[in-house]
Amino acid sequence: DAGVTQSPTHLIKTRGQQVTLRCSPKSGHDTVSWYQQALGQGPQFIFQYYEEEERQRGNFPDRFSGHQFPNYSSELNVNALLLGDSALYLCASSTTGDEKLFFGSGTQLSVL
Amino acid sequence: GENVEQHPSTLSVQEGDSAVIKCTYSDSASNYFPWYKQELGKRPQLIIDIRSNVGEKKDQRIAVTLNKTAKHFSLHITETQPEDSAVYFCAASKGGSYIPTFGRGTSLIVHP
Repeated sequence: DAGVTQSPTHLIKTRGQQVTLRCSPKSGHDTVSWYQQALGQGPQFIFQYYEEEERQRGNFPDRFSGHQFPNYSSELNVNALLLGDSALYLCASSTTGDEKLFFGSGTQLSVL
Repeated sequence: GENVEQHPSTLSVQEGDSAVIKCTYSDSASNYFPWYKQELGKRPQLIIDIRSNVGEKKDQRIAVTLNKTAKHFSLHITETQPEDSAVYFCAASKGGSYIPTFGRGTSLIVHP
């Protein structure tokens, strides 16, 4: 079992660009959540996908959007990148009705 | 929404000592309290969790206590070892939400 996998591991973009991050959940998991972790901070909830729909959303602007595919994998898209978007983006998967989250290793995004 | 406060931000101990990390939460409806360990450059991993119908839970050298009246919970690590050095995050979520709110983290340093 490969666990939760994320790609790419590192990404460098410039302000105003768009970025797409990818996540494959742990085998058997159907729910994917995305978190933003700034340096020295705890993970902040962005949104959660279940059955290909956004089920819940945190306090993030519409520049952050996502998608879940029929195989439960997910993408996080960020448009019009700002310097403040620089962070580690974590994907976590879970199964319906279970609070336990399994995290991927994250994508380190740097916006210059 | 839920707010989770975590203290201290940094904790330095000698190998063999005990370490205690404390968290408070704001939403009395929260009923699930996980703890995650994040080693440098690695993914957060669930190390122990507790539900609101239990006051204490132990797993070898780690234990978590919960005081629902006071809305605080704590992580206790006994006989600390250098490999316990990491950032520890507490979190809280309420039933049906499955979206934990994380604290800001405690950097635990265990000196050999």
